[in-house]
Amino acid sequence: AQSVTQLDSHVSVSEGTPVLLRCNYSSSYSPSLFWYVQHPNKGLQLLLKYTSAATLVKGINGFEAEFKKSETSFHLTKPSAHMSDAAEYFCVVRLHGSSNTGKLIFGQGTTLQVKP
Amino acid sequence: DTEVTQTPKHLVMGMTNKKSLKCEQHMGHRAMYWYKQKAKKPPELMFVYSYEKLSINESVPSRFSPECPNSSLLNLHLHALQPEDSALYLCASSQDLERGGLNEQFFGPGTRLTVL
Repeated sequence: AQSVTQLDSHVSVSEGTPVLLRCNYSSSYSPSLFWYVQHPNKGLQLLLKYTSAATLVKGINGFEAEFKKSETSFHLTKPSAHMSDAAEYFCVVRLHGSSNTGKLIFGQGTTLQVKP
Repeated sequence: DTEVTQTPKHLVMGMTNKKSLKCEQHMGHRAMYWYKQKAKKPPELMFVYSYEKLSINESVPSRFSPECPNSSLLNLHLHALQPEDSALYLCASSQDLERGGLNEQFFGPGTRLTVL
């Protein structure tokens, strides 16, 4: 069975300090992994996606994530937080298999707070 | 155009009303999705359309009726809703449901629905 666990429901950082949002996954297949961000009362925006081509994935707005198969992790990082990064972040795995085509499994989300 | 648009932004309806939500994309995507998102929760999949045909119905109550008139447009018809149906309704699209690819989903901004 495929699943995704976001290890922190809430993360608080100061502006200009690094961000780490943690995500572990479980998948019988080579996983398709994504990070999405959702600002208040907005839709979801794709930050980055994992392709098997590279384990370190760079996304938009300075975010990146590293796929570690041995640790079944896909943590999201950013070297320096900006006030505009305050939002909800979802780690997502895409289901594979004929009956699940197109389905995404969402983590419970991590609320990122950025303090001035 | 890399946008998914949704109308209306906000909708308030009574339990006896009939209303419709509209979603549009002009990216040439052939898969479209409806999600329901409650506050502080991840989105929950409701329906998936592939090439204008219903592919997945996640056991959604019949008071929600999806329709895909053409490859660019997705509607969600609402009738006799309950207060617990109040939520953010998100539409998404992806290139198709091809299993091997990464096929990320692009989300619209959502319709905030309140049922009185």
